[in-house]
Amino acid sequence: DGGITQSPKYLFRKEGQNVTLSCEQNLNHDAMYWYRQDPGQGLRLIYYSQIVNDFQKGDIAEGYSVSREKKESFPLTVTSAQKNPTAFYLCASSIPSGTGELFFGEGSRLTVL
Amino acid sequence: KQEVTQIPAALSVPEGENLVLNCSFTDSAIYNLQWFRQDPGKGLTSLLLIQSSQREQTSGRLNASLDKSSGRSTLYIAASQPGDSATYLCAAPYNNNDMRFGAGTRLTVKP
Repeated sequence: DGGITQSPKYLFRKEGQNVTLSCEQNLNHDAMYWYRQDPGQGLRLIYYSQIVNDFQKGDIAEGYSVSREKKESFPLTVTSAQKNPTAFYLCASSIPSGTGELFFGEGSRLTVL
Repeated sequence: KQEVTQIPAALSVPEGENLVLNCSFTDSAIYNLQWFRQDPGKGLTSLLLIQSSQREQTSGRLNASLDKSSGRSTLYIAASQPGDSATYLCAAPYNNNDMRFGAGTRLTVKP
């Protein structure tokens, strides 16, 4: 089955630690995205990538980093510079030149202890 | 800048009722609009995607309409069921690289 796999589903981090969230897709989509969701708010874009080895900052990129070494993978690192990292993180993908329809993974919940 | 607003924030209806969820957007130069469903603690599931050239899309008991000139989209759910209880989000594109999301409407269908 094609889809987007995010791991881990739950993650706990101590202050000052970097953590990496995994996102893998087998939909053969060119574009991938990372969103952050806080309670009662809409999703906010952290980073996106339209093609391998290229990515762009979204609205709230500070304290985060990404890489896109393979088409299938778009990991997100939450660094110690992110002041309020506790949130629900969602990875998505789409075909830029197609309908533009977004498909999402199941999300990763990060809690800072 | 694209801003997306969803009203109401929460809605509770008895089972079997037909209902309408509203989505408004500020930048009408969109190429599509997408409706999603989100269950608690889960990711977003795509329900309907309306292209800018279309006025509506239907899937089962769901019907989504798009009026670009007024900056509005509606999601109509017919004969609601308790299993429809979830948060519904709409999203409209911005700058071809981003989708702007509303905060969602939390729907509760009571048996």
